Amino acid sequence: QSVVTQPPSVSGTPGQRVIFSCSGSSSNIGSNFVYWYQQLPGTAPKLLIYRNDQRPSGVPDRFSGSKSGTSASLAISGLRSEDEADYYCAAWDDSLSTWVFGGGSKLTVL
Amino acid sequence: QITLKESGPTLVEPTQTLTLTCTFSGFSLTTSGVGVGWIRQPPGKALEWLAMIYWDDDKRYSPSLKSRLTITKDTSKNQVVLTMTNMYPMDTATYYCVSFYEATGMDVWGQGTTVTVSS
Repeated sequence: QSVVTQPPSVSGTPGQRVIFSCSGSSSNIGSNFVYWYQQLPGTAPKLLIYRNDQRPSGVPDRFSGSKSGTSASLAISGLRSEDEADYYCAAWDDSLSTWVFGGGSKLTVL
Repeated sequence: QITLKESGPTLVEPTQTLTLTCTFSGFSLTTSGVGVGWIRQPPGKALEWLAMIYWDDDKRYSPSLKSRLTITKDTSKNQVVLTMTNMYPMDTATYYCVSFYEATGMDVWGQGTTVTVSS
């Protein structure tokens, strides 16, 4: 059972906007930055969003992140078939003194 | 360009010790704010953070695995080594190393190395 919770699956059609949720607590998301990772099938995770809402260079602006209280969200607009992947949120947990990952959400593009 | 590459055995017998090496380039572990971490992913499951070592030799471990893990660095070789003792079949996973910067968090990942624990 992950300390940070994500829905197991999210789906959408090409061109649509989809949102991934990430729910934590005051010791992790509530007091630290949130990071989002994309893991395409058979590959290593890739950083999509850092410090809640910052995109590394090379990440399209179709991807955006936000945080409010003990929850965070990742949005993908203009959904494409190549966005099919697993998406993970992560944050440092002050109580556990460890990085915690959500259980991941699998995106299906219908 | 930052790159990281994991190396180590692909098969480990139960109760043995696993030693994994992360060889990196494009940054230095002597730079303030920099770290290298290890994360694993069992087949079909989520990511699990294991350990991290920082530029100042500060070391952090997953509380649930702390008794079995040791992380060290060799800055002259640009390498970080993770050892995990008393391996179980449930430790079968792909093990990733990742670079860490205070500004961007865990940012660049290695390709991962798959470790199977079986007799």
